[in-house]
Formats: sequence, C-alpha cells, structure tokens
Amino acid sequence: SQQGEEDPQALSIQEGENATMNCSYKTSINNLQWYRQNSGRGLVHLILIRSNEREKHSGRLRVTLDTSKKSSSLLITASRAADTASYFCATDANDYKLSFGAGTTVTVRA
Amino acid sequence: DAGVTQSPTHLIKTRGQQVTLRCSPKSGHDTVSWYQQALGQGPQFIFQYYEEEERQRGNFPDRFSGHQFPNYSSELNVNALLLGDSALYLCASSALAGMSGNTIYFGEGSWLTVV
Repeated sequence: SQQGEEDPQALSIQEGENATMNCSYKTSINNLQWYRQNSGRGLVHLILIRSNEREKHSGRLRVTLDTSKKSSSLLITASRAADTASYFCATDANDYKLSFGAGTTVTVRA
Repeated sequence: DAGVTQSPTHLIKTRGQQVTLRCSPKSGHDTVSWYQQALGQGPQFIFQYYEEEERQRGNFPDRFSGHQFPNYSSELNVNALLLGDSALYLCASSALAGMSGNTIYFGEGSWLTVV
C-alpha cells in the first residue's frame, strides 16, 4: 500500500506559470522528500523537509509541510519546458524506507 | 563524484528465468535499498541492506532476494520470473546507516521486461 497520495494526478500549464501539487499521507513521519522523474528515468531528489519544519525553498521550488493535516505541497514557480516530468512525494516514518504516492504528472506547454 | 549507478539499463527475460541487477551506491554511502516501480505507479520498497544484512523488507515474495558486498555495492536477484515482475527497478543509497533524515539518492534504474 502507498502512504502518500499526490493531487492532482495530472497538471498542464503554460510556460511561465506556477505549478502546485499536493501530497497527503496517513501516518506520523520524520521527514518528507520530493522527487522528480523524467519519463522512464530515475528519481532526482528535489527537497527534504523535516517534520519540525514548515517551509523550505530551493531555487524555484517551495515546499510546505503541515503535520497537523498530514499534507505537503510543492510549488514550482515560473515553470519551464524542462520541468515537464512526474513529481513524487515520499514519506519517511523512521522505518528504513520511503513510501511513495502515485505521483503528479506535470506538462509545461511552450 | 559518481552518483548511484545501476546495471544493466534494460533487459528482457523469459517467464521462469532468473535475473540479477546490480547497484553501486553513491560515494560515502553505506546503505542500499531497492524499489520496484510498475508503469504509472510510484516506487514500492523491496528491501534495504546495511552491513551486508537485509535490515528491512517490503511486501515482496521470497523470489526477490539480495546481497550487499563489503564495498557496499548490492545485487537484486529475482527467481522464477513472472510477467508481473516487468517494471523499473530502482536502487537507492544513503549514508549513516540510512538514518532517518538523510537524503536518499536514486539511480537511473534497470528496466526489466518479462515475456
């Protein structure tokens, strides 16, 4: 079973627009990590946010975490064609593994 | 600094055969985990190796086995292949015995097709 669930399943935006995707999870976590996956390729690590943190930034990426609601969001600002990919949230519940959702597929139109 | 490397990148096997996939962790990392990602799904945890021992296992049958070598590299073996084993197999590595809170890095994966 998968711990995290991303919403929406798919997102299509115009280049230059912002993209927001959400992740909900079920159990208590130590941290949450966001990954990007280009078609058929491996996972690229984007951001790790710990359970005692509420917001983190990395370049054009902004991640928030609300442990009371068991949810996280990933915002990509000023999107580019190269941001076209699937995005996954993965939760770490201190049990030696990451639990992934099914991902959000983002398409950035030129 | 090389990241996580996996081989082979693609392979095709016949039902009933056996397959071995290989992984070298990122430099400085001592913990290796394996994940299976079916098409259109998120990765599913298979197992984790630390100090050459399987430390944690996901909901996968005994047909899936692994090994970690003294240099921290790892192998994933799958016996008696089924069509449903067709997937992208991802290796992930982390440092400090895989302690929670450490960034986990993934390789490019090995695409396995069972026919």
